[in-house]
Amino acid sequence: DADVTQTPRNRITKTGKRIMLECSQTKGHDRMYWYRQDPGLGLRLIYYSFDVKDINKGEISDGYSVSRQAQAKFSLSLESAIPNQTALYFCATSDPGVTLAGLSTDTQYFGPGTRLTVL
Amino acid sequence: AQKVTQAQTEISVVEKEDVTLDCVYETRDTTYYLFWYKQPPSGELVFLIRRNSFDEQNEISGRYSWNFQKSTSSFNFTITASQVVDSAVYFCALSEARRGYQKVTFGTGTKLQVIP
Repeated sequence: DADVTQTPRNRITKTGKRIMLECSQTKGHDRMYWYRQDPGLGLRLIYYSFDVKDINKGEISDGYSVSRQAQAKFSLSLESAIPNQTALYFCATSDPGVTLAGLSTDTQYFGPGTRLTVL
Repeated sequence: AQKVTQAQTEISVVEKEDVTLDCVYETRDTTYYLFWYKQPPSGELVFLIRRNSFDEQNEISGRYSWNFQKSTSSFNFTITASQVVDSAVYFCALSEARRGYQKVTFGTGTKLQVIP
C-alpha cells in the first residue's frame, strides 16, 4: 500500500462549489504539506502543518483552507472553487532530520496527486 | 531568497543515449540541501536523491548520477544509456537548513522524452 494516499485522484467540479481533497499517510510523519502544480510553474506551497495544532500558510493560500484532523490526515478545501484553481494538487509528508550542527531539513514524500478541474 | 533554475524545458533523446539535466540554484545560506524528483506520466512525484551543501562528492545509483558543484551552484543529473521508462518530468529542488520550517523551492521541471 502507498505510504501517502490522496482522494479523489481526479475531480471535475463547477465554479462556486465547495471541494475537499483528502490526504492520508502511514509514514508516521508529523509534517504534512499541500502543493499545487501548474504547467511551467513547478510546485507551489499552499499550506503546511507541523502537527495537529500547528498550521501555517504557504505562498499561495488565498482561496484555500486546511484541516489537520489527526497526525495522519490533512485535508485541503476550496470553499468556492474558481477556474484558475484548476491544477494538480499534491500532498506531501516529511519527518525532520536533525543534521549539520542542529540545523535540519526534511525530505518530502509526495502522494500520487489529485487532478482538479474547475469548469 | 532562494531560486532554482532548470533552463531546459524539454529534452528528447533516442534510447541508449546519455542525457544530462541541468539545475542551477541560488541561495545565501551556506547550509542547504538539494533534491531531485521524478514525475512519470502517471503523475506521482518520486524522490530520487538528497545532497547537503557540505558533500560535493558525485553520487551514482545505477544509470543515474549526480554532479554537485558549489563553485557553479549546479546540481546536474545524468542518465546513462537512457530508457523509455526514464521519460518523465524531473524537478530539482532546494531547501535551506533551519531549526523549524524549511521552505523547499522547486524548479519548473525538465520534461525528458526518450524515444525508442
